[in-house]
Amino acid sequence: EAGVAQSPRYKIIEKRQSVAFWCNPISGHATLYWYQQILGQGPKLLIQFQNNGVVDDSQLPKDRFSAERLKGVDSTLKIQPAKLEDSAVYLCASSSTAGTQYFGPGTRLLVL
Amino acid sequence: AQSVSQHNHHVILSEAASLELGCNYSYGGTVNLFWYVQYPGQHLQLLLKYFSGDPLVKGIKGFEAEFIKSKFSFNLRKPSVHWSDAAEYFCAVGARYALNFGKGTSLLVTP
Repeated sequence: EAGVAQSPRYKIIEKRQSVAFWCNPISGHATLYWYQQILGQGPKLLIQFQNNGVVDDSQLPKDRFSAERLKGVDSTLKIQPAKLEDSAVYLCASSSTAGTQYFGPGTRLLVL
Repeated sequence: AQSVSQHNHHVILSEAASLELGCNYSYGGTVNLFWYVQYPGQHLQLLLKYFSGDPLVKGIKGFEAEFIKSKFSFNLRKPSVHWSDAAEYFCAVGARYALNFGKGTSLLVTP
């Protein structure tokens, strides 16, 4: 069974630029999550989708972050414009209704 | 609000020593409990989980954890660590689906 795929693996941008990350969940998983992991901390949930609907985006900085899952499968997370404090690893995870989350390799973002 | 506290940020053990990593959480309702591990250069992997039933949970690679409801704790244990256990360990608590993670404990194993 293929795992959660993410791309790119690494991204370096300058502040005020925009960036997008892509995630393909495990086949059949209805729930998809985006987490932000800042160095030295645990992952923090940004947004949770159930199929193509948003379940929880309470911790998503909506003035600069956006995410979509239009067809209920792949998802993209965008930051526009990026700030220095957005430097982090962005993790995508997916789960079936049973609840155990499986994580992708993450995208490591550095904002200069 | 939910919170997860991991007692130690860094642990150094000699090979074959016993391991116990502490995790406490605050949440008023029913929760699901997890330990994830992140080996160097790899992604987060599930070590073990507790949803209900026997509070002593066995996971992969000889790890186990005990859920003590009265103490709001879910400590991770392993009787004898191996050099390959060097990694970052995260405790996570979930109510329904989304997970709330602790800050992680970095384990270093010396020869």
